[in-house]
Amino acid sequence: AQSVAQPEDQVNVAEGNPLTVKCTYSVSGNPYLFWYVQYPNRGLQFLLKYITGDNLVKGSYGFEAEFNKSQTSFHLKKPSALVSDSALYFCAVRLSLTYGNNRLAFGKGNQVVVIP
Amino acid sequence: DAGVTQSPTHLIKTRGQQVTLRCSPKSGHDTVSWYQQALGQGPQFIFQYYEEEERQRGNFPDRFSGHQFPNYSSELNVNALLLGDSALYLCASSLVDGPYEQYFGPGTRLTVT
Repeated sequence: AQSVAQPEDQVNVAEGNPLTVKCTYSVSGNPYLFWYVQYPNRGLQFLLKYITGDNLVKGSYGFEAEFNKSQTSFHLKKPSALVSDSALYFCAVRLSLTYGNNRLAFGKGNQVVVIP
Repeated sequence: DAGVTQSPTHLIKTRGQQVTLRCSPKSGHDTVSWYQQALGQGPQFIFQYYEEEERQRGNFPDRFSGHQFPNYSSELNVNALLLGDSALYLCASSLVDGPYEQYFGPGTRLTVT
């Protein structure tokens, strides 16, 4: 079954240090991959996506992600974490490339805690 | 440019009752998806509507039904509520022709007692 996995429950990082949130995927064919962030009692905010092209994609708020086909990974990164980056991060994959079907499957989420 | 809006924000219902949640998509979007997010979990896909038809459905019982209107807005109906239906219900909109990222509303927090 097509899915994504986020192996860590929580990521703790000191403010100013690099932040990495891990995601691995299992899909047949070319994956459409996404990262979202969720703040408490809020909906999900789109950060970035990989559809095709460059393996390093840049997104909102200084985040970027690296697509690695050989390792089936799509890790989210930020060079210098801010306290305001503390939130819940979700990796997602589009399950069907059929026209009109845009269903996403989400990982369990990673809580990121940036320590001042 | 208005984003995705949902109503109501919070809702408390009793077991066995029925509930209707509403969603207006981001301006220009034609596809609406609904997700259920239980506490501490990732969102789970319920179903997706495009051209007023249900296009895909996740692993949810028939108690969950929906509708999309000509103006692309959508409703989610849940009948015979169970305690386990307590969750954050998220609506997301997108364009069928791409780009394929979905934009989410703030959600409706449903509590079933």
